Amino acid sequence: DTGVSQDPRHKITKRGQNVTFRCDPISEHNRLYWYRQTLGQGPEFLTYFQNEAQLEKSRLLSDRFSAERPKGSFSTLEIQRTEQGDSAMYLCASSFTGGASGANVLTFGAGSRLTVL
Amino acid sequence: GNSVTQMEGPVTLSEEAFLTINCTYTATGYPSLFWYVQYPGEGLQLLLKATKADDKGSNKGFEATYRKETTSFHLEKGSVQVSDSAVYFCARRGDSGGYQKVTFGTGTKLQVIP
Repeated sequence: DTGVSQDPRHKITKRGQNVTFRCDPISEHNRLYWYRQTLGQGPEFLTYFQNEAQLEKSRLLSDRFSAERPKGSFSTLEIQRTEQGDSAMYLCASSFTGGASGANVLTFGAGSRLTVL
Repeated sequence: GNSVTQMEGPVTLSEEAFLTINCTYTATGYPSLFWYVQYPGEGLQLLLKATKADDKGSNKGFEATYRKETTSFHLEKGSVQVSDSAVYFCARRGDSGGYQKVTFGTGTKLQVIP
């Protein structure tokens, strides 16, 4: 397993366009998280899934944002009608539950950088 | 609410200097605490963690002790190297069993000069 993969790494779009990011977590991990990070700030929680169920969404996640994890494996994050304020690094992380060592520790992908012109 | 506050950077140190990056948290219980590191051009990586009071997390010469009485989890290293230059994030997760989101501090940029 090569870790958490995110695609694309960079996306430049015009305001008003829709964008979609994909995340492939570590295959044994049942939890998947989306965070957003802007320059000089720490990651901000957006949403998380356990298997295919979306269990929590941040108030930061406006109705222009939607995330799915249809088969409990990869996930997509779609932003509709993008705004300049959506420009950020979108981070995906995964983890596994249970009592084993390493449980509940987030493993992050390299991120998808969005620039909205 | 539940939050994490860490000292602002950037921090600039000479090689072999002693490092402390302060981190405090708010909580109603006993959250798990973490330090993550982000090297230039790379994703966040777990550096160390502690899951209960008085635990000491350690890795790569870095240490942090879970201090319940001061709600702190300060990161220390006795002798920094140029390769330690990165952004360091303090984080907390939950107060009790079950998942709760991981909340991060704003990050502290460390620059180590030869």
